[in-house]
Amino acid sequence: GENVEQHPSTLSVQEGDSAVIKCTYSDSASNYFPWYKQELGKRPQLIIDIRSNVGEKKDQRIAVTLNKTAKHFSLHITETQPEDSAVYFCAASIDDYKLSFGAGTTVTVRA
Amino acid sequence: NAGVTQTPKFRILKIGQSMTLQCAQDMNHNYMYWYRQDPGMGLKLIYYSVGAGITDKGEVPNGYNVSRSTTEDFPLRLELAAPSQTSVYFCASSYSRSDQPQHFGDGTRLSIL
Repeated sequence: GENVEQHPSTLSVQEGDSAVIKCTYSDSASNYFPWYKQELGKRPQLIIDIRSNVGEKKDQRIAVTLNKTAKHFSLHITETQPEDSAVYFCAASIDDYKLSFGAGTTVTVRA
Repeated sequence: NAGVTQTPKFRILKIGQSMTLQCAQDMNHNYMYWYRQDPGMGLKLIYYSVGAGITDKGEVPNGYNVSRSTTEDFPLRLELAAPSQTSVYFCASSYSRSDQPQHFGDGTRLSIL
């Protein structure tokens, strides 16, 4: 099955700085890569996703990049704010509906 | 529109007891999923369903059973609760293969003592 590794496990950034989270996947057939944000005690919520036919996607302060050759994808958050503090999960899908998740990155934005 | 609704929110079970975690969605989604989330870990897929009457195993199905008699409901059954099943359980749904985003419920926090 698909194996997704996520780094770093924790990330502390100063408010206004950028945060970058990286994930690698094992199966070259994976074709869909979503990112979820989970606040403490809450449900995971999709924040951005990218498909294998696209190299980069942006949504305001959030961007995701995909390198299919290297089998890795990254989440970039610019101008971080306190409300960006949460656990972020990457995931990969080869079947278009079953997701394999990374272990998560705890992001703390320092005021 | 309630989205994905899970009940109960919290439950404590004794070893060997059985229970059913309920999940319902009102978005007319065909695909439904059960995940477990252990502390500090990502979500692991337990079972999934691509439509009423169709279910299949995910990564960690042992100790669980599911059924899908209607499009709306996808209950998860624990037959003989074990301490290793202490976890937070999330149900999710998505419309189809081409509309991938999964919508999650609020989760059920289950402790087995």
